[in-house]
Amino acid sequence: QVQLQESGPGLLKPSETLSLTCTVSGGSISRYYWNWIRQPPGKGLEWIGHIFYTGSTNLNPSLKSRLTMSVDTSKNQFSLKLRSVTAADTALYFCARGADSSYYLDFWGQGALVTVSS
Amino acid sequence: QSVLTQPPSVSAAPGQKVTISCSGSSSNIGNNYVSWYQHLPGTAPKLLIYDRNKRPSGVPDRFSGSQSGTSATLGITGLQTGDEADYYCGTWDSSLSAGVFGGGTKVTVL
Repeated sequence: QVQLQESGPGLLKPSETLSLTCTVSGGSISRYYWNWIRQPPGKGLEWIGHIFYTGSTNLNPSLKSRLTMSVDTSKNQFSLKLRSVTAADTALYFCARGADSSYYLDFWGQGALVTVSS
Repeated sequence: QSVLTQPPSVSAAPGQKVTISCSGSSSNIGNNYVSWYQHLPGTAPKLLIYDRNKRPSGVPDRFSGSQSGTSATLGITGLQTGDEADYYCGTWDSSLSAGVFGGGTKVTVL
């Protein structure tokens, strides 16, 4: 069974950089799309972006200017960096595996809460 | 404002049926398959339906999906208290080159 686990700092100050890593176990990171999704408090899901195991990315246009994604196939990990955070970036951040032949997310992490506060 | 539109809430008595609509456009639902997710607070979202009407292993056949034109529907029959959760539709938007979700629908079992 594929499992995903998010890790990273839970508290940031405005203007800092949010960095999260998702570790994949029970399967190879090769072949699939690896996604980040977030849920602000009291709101719905927002797709942040995804990275293919080759390193190619698609990013949410509203976040693209602040966003970097990377993948490390040797460690079975992929990562997210979001620069210049504000309180609006406070959210539960999920990583998820995306199919390579269609768009759906079949395995999800439990989520990592990131709070931006001065 | 979400790209896909869902009703904020639906409710029904135990054993009854509910349907959740998801409305989009030609750049998303009109040209790509819809998937549906169940989300209980504090847990990981769970894939219920993919490629319009397929169910992953372990998802009961009480859950069904359909899709036509620029809309999709999730149906839940034989409603149980354990079905109380938020439900989201999602798909790919070819114009945005981005994944998109609906705003979510809260299902309440009366």
